Amino acid sequence: GENVEQHPSTLSVQEGDSAVIKCTYSDSASNYFPWYKQELGKGPQLIIDIRSNVGEKKDQRIAVTLNKTAKHFSLHITETQPEDSAVYFCAAIREPGGFKTIFGAGTRLFVKA
Amino acid sequence: DSGVTQTPKHLITATGQRVTLRCSPRSGDLSVYWYQQSLDQGLQFLIQYYNGEERAKGNILERFSAQQFPDLHSELNLSSLELGDSALYFCASSAKTGGSGEQYFGPGTRLTVT
Repeated sequence: GENVEQHPSTLSVQEGDSAVIKCTYSDSASNYFPWYKQELGKGPQLIIDIRSNVGEKKDQRIAVTLNKTAKHFSLHITETQPEDSAVYFCAAIREPGGFKTIFGAGTRLFVKA
Repeated sequence: DSGVTQTPKHLITATGQRVTLRCSPRSGDLSVYWYQQSLDQGLQFLIQYYNGEERAKGNILERFSAQQFPDLHSELNLSSLELGDSALYFCASSAKTGGSGEQYFGPGTRLTVT
């Protein structure tokens, strides 16, 4: 069946360094790729997303890139801060409708001060 | 605050029991999704409703069922509970218009089965 592979499972960086998380999806009909940040004890929060007609999208220190041919997309966080420490999930979704939502297994990011 | 509310926040019950989790989507959102997140695990998609109708099913056990009511709130019913059902259950909503896949998550219900 369809799945989304996410790597690495754990990532530890020094404050100020960059962090990159990668996801690969199998469902070629997926056309919407969001990233969620989950802090301890809270629900996932949408932080950035990209649709398959765009190759890259930036929002301040966060960027997402998409390679539709290779079926992979990545989250880039620059100038990391301790408050970036959380679990990050990628997902691959079919629009319209949001059907067949498949999440990656998550990456636990630690930013050391 | 995502605008999605879930009740209760915590639920402790015994094996074999039945519980109901409730979700109110963001105002105007038509889709509701249910997810299960076990300890240190990812988000497992359970089921999706759109405007009262079931739209997609994931790895939902037969002991679990859900529905979406005319006012768009949704309930997830878990029966014959087992220890392994202990988890965080999240509800998300989306699709004010246009079938957008953007999902907004509630704070979750933590279910503990003893």
